[in-house]
Amino acid sequence: ILNVEQSPQSLHVQEGDSTNFTCSFPSSNFYALHWYRWETAKSPEALFVMTLNGDEKKKGRISATLNTKEGYSYLYIKGSQPEDSATYLCALPVEGGNKLTFGTGTQLKVEL
Amino acid sequence: DAGITQSPRHKVTETGTPVTLRCHQTENHRYMYWYRQDPGHGLRLIHYSYGVKDTDKGEVSDGYSVSRSKTEDFLLTLESATSSQTSVYFCAISASLAGEADTQYFGPGTRLTVL
Repeated sequence: ILNVEQSPQSLHVQEGDSTNFTCSFPSSNFYALHWYRWETAKSPEALFVMTLNGDEKKKGRISATLNTKEGYSYLYIKGSQPEDSATYLCALPVEGGNKLTFGTGTQLKVEL
Repeated sequence: DAGITQSPRHKVTETGTPVTLRCHQTENHRYMYWYRQDPGHGLRLIHYSYGVKDTDKGEVSDGYSVSRSKTEDFLLTLESATSSQTSVYFCAISASLAGEADTQYFGPGTRLTVL
């Protein structure tokens, strides 16, 4: 079983704050890491797929970095807005195949 | 948006009855997955399919079976529903192109309540 951990479990920030959270995973046999954004009452939406150590991806105010040697990825949100409120999931493929193991997510709430 | 639909979107049933959920895709993707979402557990894989008539178990497959007779349809059956199977069920698809780390695209979900 692949152990994927996310922290913190939940986060409340004010509009305009920048924030970040972590996905930790076993550093051996890394293949890829996926970040998803999941709004309440909707379905998970893909944000990034990261495959290389040192990889950095960006989409608007959201960016992610990857450190495969130490087994973590950070997701950053700059200038949080209420519409950023969602659960952010990371997932890794089991043994490099097509099955993903998901972390339990970080629930972000951005308050006015 | 990926062309994935799930039916029904909501269902209430009684303990002991069989239930079938349907996932339909228009993307001609090879891989299809069924997950359940539960508080404190996130998304857990029930079964997946890597082609027509080719399926395999996931992390929480007990009490569930699947079938895939056509590329576009993946059915999840609860053989005898129990209250512990009350959950939101998500279907996902991926293209599985060689050499790529595949993104999975999710359907809208089915909320199932077993009384």
